[in-house]
Formats: sequence, structure tokens, C-alpha cells
Amino acid sequence: DQQVKQNSPSLSVQEGRISILNCDYTNSMFDYFLWYKKYPAEGPTFLISISSIKDKNEDGRFTVFLNKSAKHLSLHIVPSQPGDSAVYFCSGGSNYKLTFGKGTLLTVNP
Amino acid sequence: NAGVTQTPKFQVLKTGQSMTLQCAQDMNHEYMSWYRQDPGMGLRLIHYSVGAGITDQGEVPNGYNVSRSTTEDFPLRLLSAAPSQTSVYFCASSPDSWGPNEQFFGPGTRLTVL
Repeated sequence: DQQVKQNSPSLSVQEGRISILNCDYTNSMFDYFLWYKKYPAEGPTFLISISSIKDKNEDGRFTVFLNKSAKHLSLHIVPSQPGDSAVYFCSGGSNYKLTFGKGTLLTVNP
Repeated sequence: NAGVTQTPKFQVLKTGQSMTLQCAQDMNHEYMSWYRQDPGMGLRLIHYSVGAGITDQGEVPNGYNVSRSTTEDFPLRLLSAAPSQTSVYFCASSPDSWGPNEQFFGPGTRLTVL
């Protein structure tokens, strides 16, 4: 039972354009959602979060949108930069536990 | 601050051997956790702790033990290693005692069980 799903294993975009990474979830009890970024051979790093009572959170080039009725969230990166190339994990949290999706490999081409 | 440190970086075990993966943080975080990541999979929670003396199970706890005697340290013990435990293990800590928001991750330990 996959509670957090990232249906696109990979995404390729041109530098300067928008990257949109999508995530669906099934657990209505999630209180918050977080996006993490991971480079090879390193631990994940926190990117941005959103509470379940909000529908948008913005931090610089990164914006996360939450649609609770559709159980869907998305991460927008504008403008995309080559250094953004990494695996992005969506996660949902409740009751002291975090559940991760399988990740989406983003490649930003110069 | 060193952040979250993990030792060793790499380890090879034989089936049935035991070992302890070390994790330490110097940020005075109450919440700590252990995850494993397998190829093509997301991170899965093994065990977590909301403070010294308090631990609980995550999604995949079987075959692993933890203890939390100090705020700084959260070791993960494999009692009898099995090939299915071959994985990359990440330790993380969070400044929020109520949950794993904005966790800081260590660099990982790559474990191979033969």
C-alpha cells in the first residue's frame, strides 16, 4: 500500500524553464508534506514544506501547491537551474512518522 | 556544528553477523530517526525517537533494534544480518520534538550483507 506516489520516475527540462514535480497521496491523516532533494551519495536535504491547512507555500524559486480534495501536491521550480538536477522526494507526515514517495529524477539541461 | 554524523560509511557483513550503525547529532534535537533506502524505492522509516529514553517502531522495524540513552546518539543494531538488509541507511534529526518536520539527514551508511 503506497501512501505517497510519485508517478513520474524522471523529468527533463531546459535551464530557465519551469519544473513541475507531482505527488499523490492516499492517507488523509497527513498533517504536513515535505519535499526533499537528494544528490548521489549524499543524504537528502530539506527543500520546502506545507501544512495540510494551507494550499500554497513559497520559498524563493520553489513553490509547493496542495490540493487536499484531489490528494495531490506539486513542487514548482522557477527558473530551473542545472544545479537543481537531483532526485526529489515527496513525503507526508503524521503521528511522528514520515512516509516517502519513490522519488523523481529531475535533469535540468543547460 | 558537525550536524548529523554516521559511521561507518561502508560495511560488508556475512549473514548472521551483528553490528551497530552509529548516528550522532550535535544540534540538541529531540527527534531522531533511521531510514533505509533500497534501489528504486523511497526512504522507509525503521525506528524513531522523540527524546532520550523513548523509541518507537516505524514502517520496517523487523530485524533492527534501537536505544536512545542520550539526546546526541541514536545507534541502530542489526542482531543477525540477512541479505534482505542490504541497503543504504540514513539517520536524521529534527528540531521539532512533535515530529519529523525539516529533518537533517546524515550522509548514509552503505551496508552489504553477503
